[in-house]
Amino acid sequence: NAGVTQTPKFRILKIGQSMTLQCTQDMNHNYMYWYRQDPGMGLKLIYYSVGAGITDKGEVPNGYNVSRSTTEDFPLRLELAAPSQTSVYFCASIFGGAGNTIYFGEGSWLTVV
Amino acid sequence: EDKVVQSPLSLVVHEGDTVTLNCSYEVTNFRSLLWYKQEKKAPTFLFMLTSSGIEKKSGRLSSILDKKELFSILNITATQTGDSAVYLCAVGRNNAGNMLTFGGGTRLMVKP
Repeated sequence: NAGVTQTPKFRILKIGQSMTLQCTQDMNHNYMYWYRQDPGMGLKLIYYSVGAGITDKGEVPNGYNVSRSTTEDFPLRLELAAPSQTSVYFCASIFGGAGNTIYFGEGSWLTVV
Repeated sequence: EDKVVQSPLSLVVHEGDTVTLNCSYEVTNFRSLLWYKQEKKAPTFLFMLTSSGIEKKSGRLSSILDKKELFSILNITATQTGDSAVYLCAVGRNNAGNMLTFGGGTRLMVKP
């Protein structure tokens, strides 16, 4: 049982490039989230999904897109990378109604130069 | 706007000291308050609190919630260098997304 798996762990992007952070979970969780964490700060919600085919914006969605074609996968896309998107990104999942036991991925460190 | 505020921002103590970390919140449709420990990687779960006045304990760590005054504290007794980390407080709401709102964290450094 792998839990929540994120790739890549580290990436350096140039301004204007695009990339996708992959996230997959094997726990059949219906809720999935993408958070970003800037240095010395808490986590801020980018996008979330309550099930396959359903996504919604969180606090800081600008510059990002997501899709949820399957229960397992919730990729996060950066279309035109900007230095302000330099951050650590965490994917997380939860089984709705299970008392908020959230499972985090290991994190993806992204630097935009 | 929902808010979760943690204090202090950072703290330096010596091994053996006792520390108290604070978390206050203003959120709509409060469901639960959670504490996490973060050491350079993903946050790891410590406690979830849903009821006022009931202390949760795990070894040297304990936490309590006051739903009337809208805050929680996390106590660590007899601190060890391994307790050095960022401690995050998060509040879960009763909403369609089951989302958590995080505070900014308290950075604890325990010196030998």
